[in-house]
Amino acid sequence: KAGVTQTPRYLIKTRGQQVTLSCSPISGHRSVSWYQQTPGQGLQFLFEYFSETQRNKGNFPGRFSGRQFSNSRSEMNVSTLELGDSALYLCASSTGQGSYGYTFGSGTRLTVV
Amino acid sequence: DAKTTQPPSMDCAEGRAANLPCNHSTISGNEYVYWYRQIHSQGPQYIIHGLKNNETNEMASLIITEDRKSSTLILPHATLRDTAVYYCIVRVWFMGSARQLTFGSGTQLTVLP
Repeated sequence: KAGVTQTPRYLIKTRGQQVTLSCSPISGHRSVSWYQQTPGQGLQFLFEYFSETQRNKGNFPGRFSGRQFSNSRSEMNVSTLELGDSALYLCASSTGQGSYGYTFGSGTRLTVV
Repeated sequence: DAKTTQPPSMDCAEGRAANLPCNHSTISGNEYVYWYRQIHSQGPQYIIHGLKNNETNEMASLIITEDRKSSTLILPHATLRDTAVYYCIVRVWFMGSARQLTFGSGTQLTVLP
């Protein structure tokens, strides 16, 4: 069974640009969540999508947005990049129902210069 | 969500049981205890979760005290590959949907040869 796939693995962007990250969940999973990990703040929740609808949202500015497609694949977009957006972005896949656990991908390492 | 308290670091000898404590004294009746671990530069890995009964799976055992104010994750025979940061997370259910994982600082477990 294929795991959670995140692309790209590494990305370097310039301040002010925008970026789109992609996440393909485990087949049959309808929930995708996104997390940001930095050395200073640790793992922080961005948002969760379930059946194409945003179900939960963390405390991040509006520059961070996401969406989920009918095949459960999800994208996360960050506009007007800042140096502080440099982080490991993790996607987590789950059934979205019951006392489910998440399966995380390996992440996308974003560096803003 | 209830806050958790974990020791910042622990050592364990290879082959011995690793017992990782977690305090969650403000836990509510509808909150589950989850354990994840993160090996350097990888996405967090789900280990186990429970509500009030002790749980065991192929990876670990979870012991929850009767008052649910604390729990212990037990890795029965630690190996070098178990060296990781271990996160104890209390997660609330609301209207049939579990909320996002809120990660704390975790415990850095180092398994020594």
